Amino acid sequence: QKEVEQDPGPLSVPEGAIVSLNCTYSNSAFQYFMWYRQYSRKGPELLMYTYSSGNKEDGRFTAQVDKSSKYISLFIRDSQPSDSATYLCAMSGTSYGKLTFGQGTILTVHP
Amino acid sequence: NAGVTQTPKFRVLKTGQSMTLLCAQDMNHEYMYWYRQDPGMGLRLIHYSVGEGTTAKGEVPDGYNVSRLKKQNFLLGLESAAPSQTSVYFCASSPTGTRHNEQFFGPGTRLTVL
Repeated sequence: QKEVEQDPGPLSVPEGAIVSLNCTYSNSAFQYFMWYRQYSRKGPELLMYTYSSGNKEDGRFTAQVDKSSKYISLFIRDSQPSDSATYLCAMSGTSYGKLTFGQGTILTVHP
Repeated sequence: NAGVTQTPKFRVLKTGQSMTLLCAQDMNHEYMYWYRQDPGMGLRLIHYSVGEGTTAKGEVPDGYNVSRLKKQNFLLGLESAAPSQTSVYFCASSPTGTRHNEQFFGPGTRLTVL
């Protein structure tokens, strides 16, 4: 079993929809939780960064962490075609920024 | 400010050939990383470095070597390439302290081993 599980999709939604992306994990030592966005043939870019449990909001994006359930989510409100990308969850304990990534979810937002 | 750059962007090798991938960052970051990305596998850490002159193994280090002779550069070497090393390789860097998990990625190198 992988330490981090992420539904690879693909996920296709109409413009304006609310998108929910999720990851589960098994390592209780994870304390830092991130979401990266990766456009086709590009490197990942950091989208959201949270520490421990709770919510964080940044514009149309909200990240949620539930450590008791070992479950994290990314919500995208009013989705746009420019949000079409692969979304990768990533997690870390305390050592030197070593991240463990999920497989990535391919999202397409169609006009 | 170019961020993280990678050279080359594309490469095709024959089995048994060797090559070196170069990563450079201009953000004065202490930490640097090499990942490979394969379909359905996400990003997997190959090697990483916590400072100039130091390197350590990641999740999938076999068949690769690295060097960090200068703080801004991190080299990934394949001594005898195998078809299983066909992948997209990403380099990343991050600062120390409370932001050590904020990794900045390069554009990637697409490697095909025939």
